[in-house]
Amino acid sequence: KAGVTQTPRYLIKTRGQQVTLSCSPISGHRSVSWYQQTPGQGLQFLFEYFSETQRNKGNFPGRFSGRQFSNSRSEMNVSTLELGDSALYLCASSWDPNQVFSDGYTFGSGTRLTVV
Amino acid sequence: ILNVEQSPQSLHVQEGDSTNFTCSFPSSNFYALHWYRWETAKSPEALFVMTLNGDEKKKGRISATLNTKEGYSYLYIKGSQPEDSATYLCALSRSSNSGYALNFGKGTSLLVTP
Repeated sequence: KAGVTQTPRYLIKTRGQQVTLSCSPISGHRSVSWYQQTPGQGLQFLFEYFSETQRNKGNFPGRFSGRQFSNSRSEMNVSTLELGDSALYLCASSWDPNQVFSDGYTFGSGTRLTVV
Repeated sequence: ILNVEQSPQSLHVQEGDSTNFTCSFPSSNFYALHWYRWETAKSPEALFVMTLNGDEKKKGRISATLNTKEGYSYLYIKGSQPEDSATYLCALSRSSNSGYALNFGKGTSLLVTP
């Protein structure tokens, strides 16, 4: 079966621009979470969506936002990009949040964002 | 913010060696402890999710134990193979009113050479 699909794989943007990243979860998965990895840091939680509702948000500025559509696909948006936003952004999905306690998340391959 | 610490940061072993890593976490308000394997240029892959104190899980040559009272988990690899080379991440589940998030450690990078 198809895995978690993230597009684009690579992206180069200029400071001050905005960017939208897309995540298509495994068919049937309704919970989607986003994580950021910067050099030297562990994966940092951005947000979690379930049935089009943001249920949890990490400690990131308001420039980071997201949404989930009725087909469970999710997008995250970063406005007014800063150099420090250069990172690998990973999306993860599960059937529902409780599955996290049995099977864990299925991750996508990520979008590598470079801000210049 | 929950501090999840992993040690060692990196490890280099010879094929056939057995090895283990440690994940330490705050023992209060524990929900679940996850282990993921992340190979270069691939996606993180779930290995184990453990919820109960004393849990032990095994998948092939890899096993994990959990001690929620003292706040640590061990991951063991028996007879390491070059294909085991990857970064091993542990993460603590935490819950807000209705949502879930994972607090990841920075990982242990394992290199297995023939």
